Amino acid sequence: AQRVTQPEKLLSVFKGAPVELKCNYSYSGSPELFWYVQYSRQRLQLLLRHISRESIKGFTADLNKGETSFHLKKPFAQEEDSAMYYCALKSLYGNKLVFGAGTILRVKS
Amino acid sequence: ETGVTQSPTHLIKTRGQQVTLRCSSQSGHNTVSWYQQALGQGPQFIFQYYREEENGRGNFPPRFSGLQFPNYSSELNVNALELDDSALYLCASSPGQAVYEQYFGPGTRLTVT
Repeated sequence: AQRVTQPEKLLSVFKGAPVELKCNYSYSGSPELFWYVQYSRQRLQLLLRHISRESIKGFTADLNKGETSFHLKKPFAQEEDSAMYYCALKSLYGNKLVFGAGTILRVKS
Repeated sequence: ETGVTQSPTHLIKTRGQQVTLRCSSQSGHNTVSWYQQALGQGPQFIFQYYREEENGRGNFPPRFSGLQFPNYSSELNVNALELDDSALYLCASSPGQAVYEQYFGPGTRLTVT
């Protein structure tokens, strides 16, 4: 079965603190993984893809096949990072995304 | 360039009724995917249309159906509404079938009473 698990519904950190949003997956083969973000009153948008291995808005995510994880990290949180974050994978069966339940990140000043 | 738009923004229906939701894809996009997002959950894939043909379907019953028109806009129809159909319905368009190129609309909030 293909599944994405985000164990934390809410993560609250202070501005300037490191952030790690957890994502675990179950998948047969080599998964294609993504992080999506939804800021307040905005639509869901792609933040980053594991294939591109780039840093977006200071966020990075590394695929760890041994631990089946794809955690999202940022060394110093900013207030504008407050949003809902979804981890997702491309399904083995067709061009569709399988999403986790999401984690609300709240950055306090 | 116009982004993905959806209509209506929200609506309320009664159990057993039928509903049609609409999505206008972004200019140049020929693929539309629909997702259902229940409260507190991530989006769940319903189906995808590519050049007016259904191109994949998630685990939803046949009372969920769709259409894509020659201008690539799309409709989602749900018959015999149930209370559990209450959700945010998201449409995403893309220039091809690559999932990472999906651009999401703002969603339609459906409440079934």
